Amino acid sequence: SQTIHQWPATLVQPVGSPLSLECTVEGTSNPNLYWYRQAAGRGLQLLFYSVGIGQISSEVPQNLSASRPQDRQFILSSKKLLLSDSGFYLCAWSPDGGRNQPQHFGDGTRLSIL
Amino acid sequence: AQSVTQLGSHVSVSEGALVLLRCNYSSSVPPYLFWYVQYPNQGLQLLLKYTTGATLVKGINGFEAEFKKSETSFHLTKPSAHMSDAAEYFCAVSPDTGRRALTFGSGTRLQVQP
Repeated sequence: SQTIHQWPATLVQPVGSPLSLECTVEGTSNPNLYWYRQAAGRGLQLLFYSVGIGQISSEVPQNLSASRPQDRQFILSSKKLLLSDSGFYLCAWSPDGGRNQPQHFGDGTRLSIL
Repeated sequence: AQSVTQLGSHVSVSEGALVLLRCNYSSSVPPYLFWYVQYPNQGLQLLLKYTTGATLVKGINGFEAEFKKSETSFHLTKPSAHMSDAAEYFCAVSPDTGRRALTFGSGTRLQVQP
């Protein structure tokens, strides 16, 4: 069966520090991959999605970037964190195969910026 | 373009009462529809999905939803609420192509009163 791993679960970082969040998927190949952010009490904001290695689509211009160095690995990065980057970050995957496929989510990373 | 509207950001019911969470969608192509549940500090879990076939879809934890094309709705129901149902619920609609993300509603927080 397929599984998605996201780490770390929680992270406290100072303003201006770099960020790297990692997400990996097991048990499938060529998945679509997604990064979302949830601000406190808010809905889901799609940040990036990827349909293949090295293919990244950015939905919202911001202080963050994403990379997909391997088929089942998706990384969210920042060179300098802002206070507004605080939130709950979720990685998700879906099978590459059509519009009727659900997305499957990781357990999330709670990021607090001090 | 796809969109999802969830009426009521907060819904409160008594334990044992009917749960009704509303979702209306807009889609430029025949839709596939999904309901997710999110417990505090966790990722989203798929509750149920409508792809094709029967318009009344049964999911996990006793939830079901009915696809009504004429009303562009996909409301989530459960006959009898349990305390463990307290969570945030998200409705989502499929993208117009298979290589994009689901479009999520803004979520409904369900409270269950004893």
